[in-house]
Amino acid sequence: GNSVTQMEGPVTLSEEAFLTINCTYTATGYPSLFWYVQYPGEGLQLLLKATKADDKGSNKGFEATYRKETTSFHLEKGSVQVSDSAVYFCALIGGGADGLTFGKGTHLIIQP
Amino acid sequence: EAGVAQSPRYKIIEKRQSVAFWCNPISGHATLYWYQQILGQGPKLLIQFQNNGVVDDSQLPKDRFSAERLKGVDSTLKIQPAKLEDSAVYLCASSLVRTAQETQYFGPGTRLLVL
Repeated sequence: GNSVTQMEGPVTLSEEAFLTINCTYTATGYPSLFWYVQYPGEGLQLLLKATKADDKGSNKGFEATYRKETTSFHLEKGSVQVSDSAVYFCALIGGGADGLTFGKGTHLIIQP
Repeated sequence: EAGVAQSPRYKIIEKRQSVAFWCNPISGHATLYWYQQILGQGPKLLIQFQNNGVVDDSQLPKDRFSAERLKGVDSTLKIQPAKLEDSAVYLCASSLVRTAQETQYFGPGTRLLVL
């Protein structure tokens, strides 16, 4: 079946630091890949997505590239802000399933 | 555009009681999903509807959970009887069409505590 593995947190960084949150997946076929974010007190919202190999999704300064050869979709941001503090979920749809398969989430804490 | 609406936002019940959650998807969205998110974990799909038909309920504990989507719009998820391990956030999501590339939009969730 489908599965997503992402680095567990919490991840604590200083403002303006470089961010990488690793995500790898297992799926049959050619899944679509997503990063969702959950800010404190809010619901899940889509951050970015990529639907085929070598695609790069980007939004709000965050980027992730769909790497089929390494089955990875790592999230990066060049300079984080305090407002980026949230829980980040890597997810996929694929392998004949329509629902999202999520990783466990990574809690990101940005200190001023 | 209004988002996905869910109610109630919070619910506390005793084990063996029953509970129901309601979801109103984004207008025009044909596909509706219910997810269960246990504390410290990612959401897990329980059931998926396409209009008013069930597409996938393979992970729904059917001995206690049931769901319906009458007229292809609103949906209700019920638990009867509840167990302690059902304590979780229940998320409803909807998407315009049923494809792997389509974005799913999530509601705020219903936080259930079973005592």
